[in-house]
Amino acid sequence: DAKTTQPTSMDCAEGRAANLPCNHSTISGNEYVYWYRQIHSQGPQYIIHGLKNNETNEMASLIITEDRKSSTLILPHATLRDTAVYYCIVRANFGNEKLTFGTGTRLTIIP
Amino acid sequence: DTGVSQNPRHKITKRGQNVTFRCDPISEHNRLYWYRQTLGQGPEFLTYFQNEAQLEKSRLLSDRFSAERPKGSFSTLEIQRTEQGDSAMYLCASRKGIGGQQYSGANVLTFGAGSRLTVL
Repeated sequence: DAKTTQPTSMDCAEGRAANLPCNHSTISGNEYVYWYRQIHSQGPQYIIHGLKNNETNEMASLIITEDRKSSTLILPHATLRDTAVYYCIVRANFGNEKLTFGTGTRLTIIP
Repeated sequence: DTGVSQNPRHKITKRGQNVTFRCDPISEHNRLYWYRQTLGQGPEFLTYFQNEAQLEKSRLLSDRFSAERPKGSFSTLEIQRTEQGDSAMYLCASRKGIGGQQYSGANVLTFGAGSRLTVL
């Protein structure tokens, strides 16, 4: 799986959009970008994934650059409950059952 | 459906003792995974099952570790002769996989809350 690079930590004001970047410059053509988050004392929670088109669901939006070397997870209106560690993972959907988590970005939502 | 259930949530044991963790996945999920997470790190893959078959094991899974999923439903992870380095959160996850082993499908896992092990 391609290696990802994320900032160690970020702050965001409550009610504002939280934009979490992820670099994955060695991504292969068949690899997807996944985002999970982990709230304190809980297991990771799936947020969203995409291949090359931008994706949106009820939790977040995923913007992938045209060259696919980086992406941004957007939480449109951050709440205190969004405080968590966010993991960006790159993985092919063939022949690989592992998710390789890095250390993620610790997002703190400030009241 | 109550999601993925893990028991016990916390376990404190002395070095050298054996411990067993249980995971009850979402009922229709045929794939089950174990991960380990130490403080300040992301989860690390240990092993996974498709139904009752254990299809992949990480080299992190030493001989002291054994996982089973005898009827393709719940799973157990046993650690024999525990060491202080085994102290971690043990996470179980499940998903409904489609296709054979080669096609993994979208890896959207549902994780349990984890079982925290402290070895004194």
